[in-house]
Amino acid sequence: DAKTTQPNSMESNEEEPVHLPCNHSTISGTDYIHWYRQLPSQGPEYVIHGLTSNVNNRMASLAIAEDRKSSTLILHRATLRDAAVYYCILRPIIQGAQKLVFGQGTRLTINP
Amino acid sequence: GAGVSQSPRYKVAKRGQDVALRCDPISGHVSLFWYQQALGQGPEFLTYFQNEAQLDKSGLPSDRFFAERPEGSVSTLKIQRTQQEDSAVYLCASSLAPIGARNQPQHFGDGTRLSIL
Repeated sequence: DAKTTQPNSMESNEEEPVHLPCNHSTISGTDYIHWYRQLPSQGPEYVIHGLTSNVNNRMASLAIAEDRKSSTLILHRATLRDAAVYYCILRPIIQGAQKLVFGQGTRLTINP
Repeated sequence: GAGVSQSPRYKVAKRGQDVALRCDPISGHVSLFWYQQALGQGPEFLTYFQNEAQLDKSGLPSDRFFAERPEGSVSTLKIQRTQQEDSAVYLCASSLAPIGARNQPQHFGDGTRLSIL
């Protein structure tokens, strides 16, 4: 499984944008980039995914580098509810299992 | 709501006892996954079902771990002769997709926190 690298922790202020980076230098052409987040005492929650183009949804935006070796999850206006561990995960299009391979993730703290 | 439901929410057992953890997936979801999450770590894959068929059990750590989904809906993860290292949060996830549809998100329950004394 291709590996991702994320900072262990980040801190931001309420109502400010947050940019969460992820490096995936060994990504293959058939890997999708997925982001999940895990709030305290809850299971992980899907946030967004993309392949090559930048993606937006109601939760966040995903900016993917042109060479696809890195991506950034963007929370446009952080709230206290966005405090969570954020996981960047590569999911191959081909291969048998659909399992998610989680790394350590980035623990995001939001200051009021 | 109609999310993934897991029970019990917390389970305390003595070392050597058997435990059973239940997962009710979202209605109609074909795929079901079990993950184990140790304190401070990301979840780790245990096993995968497509309907009632267990297609991947490569993540089960030992033969003390057994999972079933006999009617293709509710699933049970059973751990026999529990040991202290089994203490963790056990997460269940379901997704609509059968194998081959790679981008269906997985919907997780809030897990069962298992503590072995």
